[in-house]
Amino acid sequence: GQQVMQIPQYQHVQEGEDFTTYCNSSTTLSNIQWYKQRPGGHPVFLIQLVKSGEVKKQKRLTFQFGEAKKNSSLHITATQTTDVGTYFCAGAGSYQLTFGKGTKLSVIP
Amino acid sequence: GAGVSQSPSNKVTEKGKDVELRCDPISGHTALYWYRQSLGQGLEFLIYFQGNSAPDKSGLPSDRFSAERTGGSVSTLTIQRTQQEDSAVYLCASSFGTGRNNEQFFGPGTRLTVL
Repeated sequence: GQQVMQIPQYQHVQEGEDFTTYCNSSTTLSNIQWYKQRPGGHPVFLIQLVKSGEVKKQKRLTFQFGEAKKNSSLHITATQTTDVGTYFCAGAGSYQLTFGKGTKLSVIP
Repeated sequence: GAGVSQSPSNKVTEKGKDVELRCDPISGHTALYWYRQSLGQGLEFLIYFQGNSAPDKSGLPSDRFSAERTGGSVSTLTIQRTQQEDSAVYLCASSFGTGRNNEQFFGPGTRLTVL
């Protein structure tokens, strides 16, 4: 079945540093979604990418979808303490999304 | 409007007992998903409903797990003869259409502890 790998599993950064998490799928995806889960909370949708090579920005967050639609990345510029949480990518399969294991981001003030 | 709600928020049970977890999706959402999240882990897909039917039950870990959805709305996840490895947070999500193309809205989850 479809597998979605996400790296790194953990990332500790100083406030102000940049952060990137990478997502790779074993199969070509029709689309990819990104979610953020704050500590103790539930996943919240951030964005969906559909087109090959698509790049979308949300303030300090930049999302990319690979040309082959098998990989994606999320880059945060100048991290803030409010960015703390676990970031999940999710690749679209037949009916459902396959979630990666997530990257847990810690930001040291 | 109200978001996805789940009950109970916490459930502690003894090994071997049955438990029922409830999910109330956002009104009008036809797709409903159940996931399991073990401590510090990712989201494990369990089952997907479109309306009242479940075209994908592939994620249910064993025949002790079952789920139903009635009236295209409320869903119940039942775990029979609970085991300690069933301890996890069970998350429900709903979306318009199929969740693979649309944002999934998650509930707060039910934290299940099996002693």
